[in-house]
Amino acid sequence: QSVLTQPPSASGAPGQRVSISCSGSSSDIGSNAVTWYQQVPGTAPKLVIHTNNQRPSGVPDRFSGSKSGTSASLAIGGLQSEDEADYYCAAWDDGLKGWVFGGGTKLTVL
Amino acid sequence: QVQLQESGPGLVKPSETLSLTCTVSDGSISSYYWSWIRQPPGKGLEWIGYVYYTGRTTYNPSLKSRVTMSVDRSKNQFSLKLSSVTAADTAIYYCARGGNWNDAFDYWGQGTLVTVSS
Repeated sequence: QSVLTQPPSASGAPGQRVSISCSGSSSDIGSNAVTWYQQVPGTAPKLVIHTNNQRPSGVPDRFSGSKSGTSASLAIGGLQSEDEADYYCAAWDDGLKGWVFGGGTKLTVL
Repeated sequence: QVQLQESGPGLVKPSETLSLTCTVSDGSISSYYWSWIRQPPGKGLEWIGYVYYTGRTTYNPSLKSRVTMSVDRSKNQFSLKLSSVTAADTAIYYCARGGNWNDAFDYWGQGTLVTVSS
């Protein structure tokens, strides 16, 4: 069982906006920055959001992140078929002194 | 653009030691943290630990007793050893840059599947 909690699935039609939640605790999300990774099946994860809401170079501005208290969210606007993938949140846990991940959310573009 | 490539045996026998190496190219291993992350087939991601370029390490407490990581700056490589493996250690193993508490994993290797079986 993952330390961070994500919904197992999410979906949206092309052009729509979807949001994926990530719930944690005071020792992880509540104390440290959240990162988000996109994993297309059969490939390595790719960083899409770091430091709660920062996009690495090359990531479309359709991707945005936010954090409030012990929860975080990844939003994807203007959904495209290429966005279909698994998405994982992650944060440093001060108690474990290590990184913890969410269980992943499978995004389907209808 | 930094590139990472995992290498090592794809099949390890139960109770033996899994050994993997990650080669970093188009960038220096110095001044960064380097992590190993694994993913059992069809499941989520698990952070195994990191090694700093100085050799300092931090491991996932759940694996700490079986994990050893090291770095070879002369070869621009870092390594993972996981001892006493069981079928539960069967996974795709990824190496990645990053791992300190405020550090995202910004570059990843393609991953290598390691199967534990007799």
